[in-house]
Amino acid sequence: GAGVSQSPSNKVTEKGKDVELRCDPISGHTALYWYRQSLGQGLEFLIYFQGNSAPDKSGLPSDRFSAERTGGSVSTLTIQRTQQEDSAVYLCASSPTWAGHQETQYFGPGTRLLVL
Amino acid sequence: GNSVTQMEGPVTLSEEAFLTINCTYTATGYPSLFWYVQYPGEGLQLLLKATKADDKGSNKGFEATYRKETTSFHLEKGSVQVSDSAVYFCALLHGGSQGNLIFGKGTKLSVKP
Repeated sequence: GAGVSQSPSNKVTEKGKDVELRCDPISGHTALYWYRQSLGQGLEFLIYFQGNSAPDKSGLPSDRFSAERTGGSVSTLTIQRTQQEDSAVYLCASSPTWAGHQETQYFGPGTRLLVL
Repeated sequence: GNSVTQMEGPVTLSEEAFLTINCTYTATGYPSLFWYVQYPGEGLQLLLKATKADDKGSNKGFEATYRKETTSFHLEKGSVQVSDSAVYFCALLHGGSQGNLIFGKGTKLSVKP
């Protein structure tokens, strides 16, 4: 079946502009995650959605970052007033949940963001 | 807080050599442990996992055993191939049965023919 998809695959933007990154999780997966992969910091957790519960935003690095998940499916990560240090690969993952336990997270191919 | 430490790379081996990538963790409670792999130009894929102490995860000839007494989850393979060249990430599941993954910094493996 289809895996996690992300768009765009690459994004180049100018410092100060806003960007939106999209994630389509695997159908039926109730949990959705955003991570960031950068050379200096490795893989960092950003935000986690589980069903209709309030998201866990504890990993967001600043208030310029926000995310929403509409209808329990597609998610958009928005970065406002981008800075050069936001340049990274943004990864989305989804997982099914069974009896309250999370199963394996499946990752998308990522969006490579470059802020000039 | 919870954290994962894995050996620094890069690691360069000849084909058919034995591989060990060390991983230790710090966590409250009893986390699940994972190894993910990222092949060149591809996304992160789950390689193997273990959900409780003494469990052994295995896949594609790779193995790792969840050692609670040493808080370790070392990755091993008896005979590596060129196609195993990739970056390997050790991770734990924060929050018990639900939550985000916490990753180590990754170890790049290059296997030469």
